[in-house]
Amino acid sequence: KQEVTQIPAALSVPEGENLVLNCSFTDSAIYNLQWFRQDPGKGLTSLLLIQSSQREQTSGRLNASLDKSSGRSTLYIAASQPGDSATYLCAVSAGANSKLTFGKGITLSVRP
Amino acid sequence: GAGVSQSPSNKVTEKGKDVELRCDPISGHTALYWYRQSLGQGLEFLIYFQGNSAPDKSGLPSDRFSAERTGGSVSTLTIQRTQQEDSAVYLCASSFPSDRPNTGELFFGEGSRLTVL
Repeated sequence: KQEVTQIPAALSVPEGENLVLNCSFTDSAIYNLQWFRQDPGKGLTSLLLIQSSQREQTSGRLNASLDKSSGRSTLYIAASQPGDSATYLCAVSAGANSKLTFGKGITLSVRP
Repeated sequence: GAGVSQSPSNKVTEKGKDVELRCDPISGHTALYWYRQSLGQGLEFLIYFQGNSAPDKSGLPSDRFSAERTGGSVSTLTIQRTQQEDSAVYLCASSFPSDRPNTGELFFGEGSRLTVL
Protein backbone atom coordinates (compact mmCIF):
# COMPACT_ATOMS: atom_id res chain seq x y z
CA LYS A 1 0.00 0.00 0.00
CA GLN A 2 1.41 3.37 -1.01
CA GLU A 3 2.16 5.78 1.82
CA VAL A 4 3.16 9.40 1.38
CA THR A 5 4.94 11.29 4.14
CA GLN A 6 5.58 14.98 4.48
CA ILE A 7 7.79 16.17 7.31
CA PRO A 8 7.68 18.53 9.12
CA ALA A 9 3.96 19.15 9.47
CA ALA A 10 4.52 22.88 9.86
CA LEU A 11 7.24 25.35 8.97
CA SER A 12 7.72 29.04 9.70
CA VAL A 13 10.29 31.11 7.82
CA PRO A 14 11.09 34.81 7.38
CA GLU A 15 10.18 36.48 4.14
CA GLY A 16 12.80 36.22 1.41
CA GLU A 17 14.15 32.84 2.46
CA ASN A 18 14.59 30.04 -0.05
CA LEU A 19 13.04 26.85 1.25
CA VAL A 20 12.60 23.20 0.45
CA LEU A 21 9.55 21.09 1.24
CA ASN A 22 10.08 17.34 1.31
CA CYS A 23 7.85 14.48 0.29
CA SER A 24 8.61 10.77 0.46
CA PHE A 25 6.65 7.76 -0.80
CA THR A 26 7.06 4.07 -0.10
CA ASP A 27 6.30 2.51 -3.49
CA SER A 28 8.53 3.81 -6.29
CA ALA A 29 6.25 2.44 -9.02
CA ILE A 30 4.45 5.72 -9.54
CA TYR A 31 2.93 7.19 -12.68
CA ASN A 32 3.21 10.81 -11.64
CA LEU A 33 3.58 13.09 -8.66
CA GLN A 34 1.68 16.29 -8.11
CA TRP A 35 2.21 19.20 -5.72
CA PHE A 36 -0.81 21.18 -4.55
CA ARG A 37 -1.42 24.28 -2.51
CA GLN A 38 -4.41 24.63 -0.18
CA ASP A 39 -5.44 27.91 1.41
CA PRO A 40 -7.63 27.77 4.55
CA GLY A 41 -11.22 26.87 3.71
CA LYS A 42 -10.44 26.41 0.05
CA GLY A 43 -9.94 23.59 -2.41
CA LEU A 44 -6.61 22.41 -3.77
CA THR A 45 -4.72 24.29 -6.46
CA SER A 46 -2.37 22.32 -8.67
CA LEU A 47 1.15 23.72 -8.62
CA LEU A 48 3.30 21.26 -10.51
CA LEU A 49 2.88 17.84 -12.08
CA ILE A 50 5.90 15.59 -12.66
CA GLN A 51 5.50 12.50 -14.82
CA SER A 52 7.51 9.46 -13.73
CA SER A 53 9.91 9.90 -16.66
CA GLN A 54 10.73 13.46 -15.66
CA ARG A 55 13.24 14.71 -13.09
CA GLU A 56 11.88 18.16 -12.42
CA GLN A 57 9.34 20.81 -13.32
CA THR A 58 9.49 24.57 -12.86
CA SER A 59 6.85 27.26 -12.62
CA GLY A 60 7.92 30.75 -11.66
CA ARG A 61 9.55 30.66 -8.22
CA LEU A 62 8.64 27.00 -7.77
CA ASN A 63 10.74 24.01 -8.74
CA ALA A 64 9.78 20.43 -8.03
CA SER A 65 12.17 17.53 -8.38
CA LEU A 66 11.52 13.81 -8.44
CA ASP A 67 13.83 10.94 -7.53
CA LYS A 68 11.62 7.97 -8.18
CA SER A 69 14.13 5.31 -7.23
CA SER A 70 14.63 6.75 -3.77
CA GLY A 71 10.95 7.62 -3.35
CA ARG A 72 11.46 11.33 -2.84
CA SER A 73 10.33 14.66 -4.18
CA THR A 74 11.16 18.19 -3.14
CA LEU A 75 9.37 21.46 -3.77
CA TYR A 76 11.75 24.39 -3.82
CA ILE A 77 10.30 27.85 -3.25
CA ALA A 78 12.61 30.73 -4.07
CA ALA A 79 12.47 34.10 -2.32
CA SER A 80 9.45 33.22 -0.20
CA GLN A 81 6.70 35.78 0.31
CA PRO A 82 3.89 36.09 2.89
CA GLY A 83 1.46 35.20 0.10
CA ASP A 84 3.11 31.78 -0.09
CA SER A 85 1.65 30.95 3.33
CA ALA A 86 -0.58 27.90 2.83
CA THR A 87 -0.58 24.14 3.18
CA TYR A 88 1.41 22.30 0.54
CA LEU A 89 0.41 18.74 -0.31
CA CYS A 90 2.20 16.13 -2.32
CA ALA A 91 0.36 13.26 -4.00
CA VAL A 92 1.32 10.28 -6.15
CA SER A 93 -0.63 8.10 -8.55
CA ALA A 94 0.02 4.57 -9.69
CA GLY A 95 -1.39 4.95 -13.19
CA ALA A 96 -3.05 7.23 -15.71
CA ASN A 97 -6.25 8.48 -14.15
CA SER A 98 -5.71 6.38 -11.04
CA LYS A 99 -6.49 7.78 -7.63
CA LEU A 100 -3.94 10.01 -5.95
CA THR A 101 -2.48 9.09 -2.58
CA PHE A 102 -1.86 12.23 -0.56
CA GLY A 103 0.52 13.20 2.17
CA LYS A 104 -0.91 15.14 5.10
CA GLY A 105 0.71 18.36 3.95
CA ILE A 106 3.12 20.93 5.28
CA THR A 107 1.64 24.15 6.64
CA LEU A 108 3.96 26.97 5.67
CA SER A 109 3.95 30.37 7.31
CA VAL A 110 6.10 33.10 5.80
CA ARG A 111 6.64 35.96 8.26
CA PRO A 112 6.86 39.51 6.88
CA GLY B 1 -17.55 26.69 -16.51
CA ALA B 2 -13.86 27.36 -16.17
CA GLY B 3 -13.28 25.19 -13.15
CA VAL B 4 -14.74 22.34 -11.13
CA SER B 5 -17.95 23.50 -9.50
CA GLN B 6 -19.36 21.98 -6.32
CA SER B 7 -22.62 22.58 -4.52
CA PRO B 8 -23.68 23.27 -1.89
CA SER B 9 -20.59 24.96 -0.50
CA ASN B 10 -21.90 24.42 3.02
CA LYS B 11 -24.48 21.99 4.32
CA VAL B 12 -25.67 21.58 7.89
CA THR B 13 -27.91 18.63 8.53
CA GLU B 14 -29.28 16.60 11.39
CA LYS B 15 -28.08 13.13 12.18
CA GLY B 16 -30.08 10.55 10.27
CA LYS B 17 -30.95 12.77 7.32
CA ASP B 18 -29.83 12.07 3.74
CA VAL B 19 -27.65 14.56 1.85
CA GLU B 20 -26.66 14.99 -1.78
CA LEU B 21 -23.51 16.73 -2.89
CA ARG B 22 -23.05 17.78 -6.49
CA CYS B 23 -19.95 18.10 -8.66
CA ASP B 24 -19.78 19.65 -12.12
CA PRO B 25 -16.36 18.87 -13.63
CA ILE B 26 -14.39 20.82 -16.18
CA SER B 27 -15.83 20.35 -19.64
CA GLY B 28 -14.08 17.54 -21.49
CA HIS B 29 -12.68 15.90 -18.37
CA THR B 30 -13.59 12.23 -18.46
CA ALA B 31 -12.16 11.29 -15.08
CA LEU B 32 -13.84 12.44 -11.88
CA TYR B 33 -12.84 11.81 -8.28
CA TRP B 34 -14.39 12.29 -4.87
CA TYR B 35 -12.22 12.82 -1.81
CA ARG B 36 -13.01 13.57 1.82
CA GLN B 37 -10.96 15.81 4.09
CA SER B 38 -11.64 15.67 7.80
CA LEU B 39 -10.28 18.16 10.32
CA GLY B 40 -6.63 17.43 10.94
CA GLN B 41 -6.67 14.49 8.54
CA GLY B 42 -5.29 14.01 5.08
CA LEU B 43 -7.33 13.60 1.96
CA GLU B 44 -9.17 10.31 1.85
CA PHE B 45 -10.08 8.83 -1.55
CA LEU B 46 -13.71 7.83 -1.93
CA ILE B 47 -14.49 6.94 -5.56
CA TYR B 48 -13.25 7.41 -9.11
CA PHE B 49 -15.32 7.66 -12.29
CA GLN B 50 -14.16 7.16 -15.84
CA GLY B 51 -17.06 8.39 -17.91
CA ASN B 52 -20.21 7.10 -16.21
CA SER B 53 -18.65 3.97 -14.75
CA ALA B 54 -16.82 3.69 -11.43
CA PRO B 55 -13.84 1.35 -11.79
CA ASP B 56 -12.64 2.17 -8.28
CA LYS B 57 -15.07 2.70 -5.44
CA SER B 58 -12.82 1.15 -2.85
CA GLY B 59 -12.76 4.25 -0.66
CA LEU B 60 -16.46 4.49 0.09
CA PRO B 61 -16.55 4.03 3.88
CA SER B 62 -19.88 2.23 4.15
CA ASP B 63 -22.99 1.30 2.22
CA ARG B 64 -24.53 4.58 3.34
CA PHE B 65 -22.32 6.25 0.74
CA SER B 66 -23.08 6.07 -2.97
CA ALA B 67 -22.24 8.09 -6.04
CA GLU B 68 -23.34 8.30 -9.61
CA ARG B 69 -22.35 10.15 -12.71
CA THR B 70 -24.61 10.83 -15.65
CA GLY B 71 -23.85 11.93 -19.19
CA GLY B 72 -20.15 11.70 -18.46
CA SER B 73 -20.43 14.99 -16.64
CA VAL B 74 -22.18 15.87 -13.38
CA SER B 75 -21.69 13.58 -10.40
CA THR B 76 -23.72 13.28 -7.22
CA LEU B 77 -22.41 11.88 -3.94
CA THR B 78 -25.21 10.71 -1.66
CA ILE B 79 -24.85 10.01 2.03
CA GLN B 80 -27.81 8.26 3.63
CA ARG B 81 -28.66 8.37 7.33
CA THR B 82 -25.84 10.77 8.07
CA GLN B 83 -23.74 10.33 11.18
CA GLN B 84 -21.63 12.88 13.04
CA GLU B 85 -18.44 11.22 11.82
CA ASP B 86 -19.50 12.06 8.26
CA SER B 87 -18.76 15.71 9.01
CA ALA B 88 -15.96 16.73 6.66
CA VAL B 89 -15.18 18.66 3.50
CA TYR B 90 -16.03 16.64 0.41
CA LEU B 91 -13.82 17.53 -2.51
CA CYS B 92 -14.36 16.71 -6.15
CA ALA B 93 -11.65 16.69 -8.80
CA SER B 94 -11.50 16.03 -12.51
CA SER B 95 -8.82 15.40 -15.11
CA PHE B 96 -8.31 15.10 -18.83
CA PRO B 97 -8.59 11.84 -20.77
CA SER B 98 -5.47 9.70 -20.76
CA ASP B 99 -4.58 10.58 -24.35
CA ARG B 100 -3.97 14.21 -23.45
CA PRO B 101 -0.70 15.80 -22.29
CA ASN B 102 -0.27 16.06 -18.55
CA THR B 103 -2.53 13.10 -18.03
CA GLY B 104 -3.46 12.69 -14.44
CA GLU B 105 -3.23 16.34 -13.45
CA LEU B 106 -6.14 16.84 -11.09
CA PHE B 107 -8.16 20.02 -10.80
CA PHE B 108 -10.16 20.40 -7.61
CA GLY B 109 -13.34 22.22 -6.74
CA GLU B 110 -13.72 24.35 -3.62
CA GLY B 111 -15.43 21.54 -1.75
CA SER B 112 -18.70 21.02 0.09
CA ARG B 113 -18.41 21.41 3.86
CA LEU B 114 -20.80 19.01 5.57
CA THR B 115 -21.69 19.39 9.23
CA VAL B 116 -23.85 16.73 10.85
CA LEU B 117 -25.38 17.83 14.14
